Amino acid sequence: EADIYQTPRYLVIGTGKKITLECSQTMGHDKMYWYQQDPGMELHLIHYSYGVNSTEKGDLSSESTVSRIRTEHFPLTLESARPSHTSQYLCASSAPVGSEDPYNEQFFGPGTRLTVL
Amino acid sequence: KNQVEQSPQSLIILEGKNCTLQCNYTVSPFSNLRWYKQDTGRGPVSLTIMTFSENTKSNGRYTATLDADTKQSSLHITASQLSDSASYICVVSDRGSTLGRLYFGRGTQLTVWP
Repeated sequence: EADIYQTPRYLVIGTGKKITLECSQTMGHDKMYWYQQDPGMELHLIHYSYGVNSTEKGDLSSESTVSRIRTEHFPLTLESARPSHTSQYLCASSAPVGSEDPYNEQFFGPGTRLTVL
Repeated sequence: KNQVEQSPQSLIILEGKNCTLQCNYTVSPFSNLRWYKQDTGRGPVSLTIMTFSENTKSNGRYTATLDADTKQSSLHITASQLSDSASYICVVSDRGSTLGRLYFGRGTQLTVWP
């Protein structure tokens, strides 16, 4: 099982609240990713990072923001949660290009199920 | 447009039976194709990864095939178990960017009944 952790696993909050979803990995991976997944739908990339102090927006527009101050930590923040943010958020990481992994395999955390009332 | 289509959308089989899941993709340039298993409320876990030159790869009772010419892949599960109940996701990676962008299918929801 991959050493990538997400907290909390479940979160129910009211509209307008600020929230931070935590993601950490102990594999020393440079690349980290945030995906959003609705039931029965495909994963959509919302943020990614090549390494410390590097963050980029993904394919799906998101009102969330991310930071990468430490290699192992990639938190996602919503300044003002809305019901439209209700979804499952999955964090993943992968080793850098040129590493021993030729496939650039992504390892996923268990996810955070967010419900905004 | 880079897409990954999976069929069937859902499948119910009896314990002990075999099944085959299908994946068609249009991702180009192609790098590799992965099959993930995602249990309800959990993150996806990799089952197999295949590059252009690999036609088949097995992981226990899971066997994946790849036809890069027709851009099709299948995942065959033999002697199904109750624990196989999950969503099986086909994911294709391109080699057109340093990110190694992943394109996800919507998954096949497999239910194994006793």
